[in-house]
Amino acid sequence: QKEVEQNSGPLSVPEGAIASLNCTYSDRGSQSFFWYRQYSGKSPELIMSIYSNGDKEDGRFTAQLNKASQYVSLLIRDSQPSDSATYLCAVSNSGYALNFGKGTSLLVTP
Amino acid sequence: DVKVTQSSRYLVKRTGEKVFLECVQDMDHENMFWYRQDPGLGLRLIYFSYDVKMKEKGDIPEGYSVSREKKERFSLILESASTNQTSMYLCASSPLGTSGRPLLGTAEQYFGPGTRLTVT
Repeated sequence: QKEVEQNSGPLSVPEGAIASLNCTYSDRGSQSFFWYRQYSGKSPELIMSIYSNGDKEDGRFTAQLNKASQYVSLLIRDSQPSDSATYLCAVSNSGYALNFGKGTSLLVTP
Repeated sequence: DVKVTQSSRYLVKRTGEKVFLECVQDMDHENMFWYRQDPGLGLRLIYFSYDVKMKEKGDIPEGYSVSREKKERFSLILESASTNQTSMYLCASSPLGTSGRPLLGTAEQYFGPGTRLTVT
């Protein structure tokens, strides 16, 4: 069973702080990694993808990948109350559909 | 922008009814997926399709079937709805993987708005 693990949270951070969301995966053959944001009652929205080791920045979001340690993380700088949502980590191996974690709930408090 | 639409946002059906959920994407994506999402269980793959008339079972196909007669449309069918099929159903589409082969999951997936189905 290929596992994608996330802490369910809630992770609470004050407005303006850095939120750090982590994800570990069990399949060493995984090649593609994605972060989705899901607001309550809505569908997942893709916010970041990363394919190689290191950091990838997009605006206030930074994805970090370490294949040797089998983890991927998402940093949100200058967190805003509108960032409050559940963040889903998704991992894929060629030939398989995305394998999703159960998500981490983030609460940004004013 | 990728647009994935689903036929209904909310649906209420009775036990034993045949239920059709429709999904349409407008980005000429090869791959399409059906998931269900339940509290505490996360997203679970029901079926996927990598080409017209092609389909593959996901993790929980029991009680469901699918149809893909046209590239842009992927339908999920509940042959005889049961109360344990009450859930949020999400459709997604994705382009081919970067290698050009239909490497499912290598490319990002885009989700429709979801259909919240209640079976009574």
